Amino acid sequence: GAGVSQSPSNKVTEKGKDVELRCDPISGHTALYWYRQSLGQGLEFLIYFQGNSAPDKSGLPSDRFSAERTGGSVSTLTIQRTQQEDSAVYLCASSLSVFAASTGELFFGEGSRLTVL
Amino acid sequence: AQSVTQLDSQVPVFEEAPVELRCNYSSSVSVYLFWYVQYPNQGLQLLLKYLSGSTLVKGINGFEAEFNKSQTSFHLRKPSVHISDTAEYFCAVSPPYNNNDMRFGAGTRLTVKP
Repeated sequence: GAGVSQSPSNKVTEKGKDVELRCDPISGHTALYWYRQSLGQGLEFLIYFQGNSAPDKSGLPSDRFSAERTGGSVSTLTIQRTQQEDSAVYLCASSLSVFAASTGELFFGEGSRLTVL
Repeated sequence: AQSVTQLDSQVPVFEEAPVELRCNYSSSVSVYLFWYVQYPNQGLQLLLKYLSGSTLVKGINGFEAEFNKSQTSFHLRKPSVHISDTAEYFCAVSPPYNNNDMRFGAGTRLTVKP
């Protein structure tokens, strides 16, 4: 597509349920990033993919969080047994490559707003 | 690792007034610096970036920023703001050639009043 697409745009769930958030990057972008945006906290880096590989998962807040990417395209961020503190906007971004030094730019989706009751 | 501090969480300003949004960074290596803007219910979009060369960088919508290595700052400025500039502004830093290590500040909420 023309831009980074994320779904759902809004998700309300009950504490303890699992949720899946989807990101479809710009066609041809090999790098994909997940950030979490909490009110007044800026953007918290969660994980990145270069192709289908995620070399560093240390940014994920807990073992309830996982992410995968298949076919070098769509990525899914899964949160198991959601807690109220997981409520935030989850932003996905993509770039030509992790090493896209020529532009240095990330292209962001509009985010998925997660509310855990 | 690098980090970013945005010194003002909120900046209210009247229309047509000048504005400066402050950003300081910390890094042990050379850096790339960015300003992103987030309009309500939208994702972030790039406003401008400093990779190398001239320290004064001009971006979209009349914004500019100056890289000051000695003061480790990258403040964003606009000489005359419009109502439509009301948004959240994020400063970001990354090491060269490594987008996966991009770190963002907490954001500055710019509110332009008539």
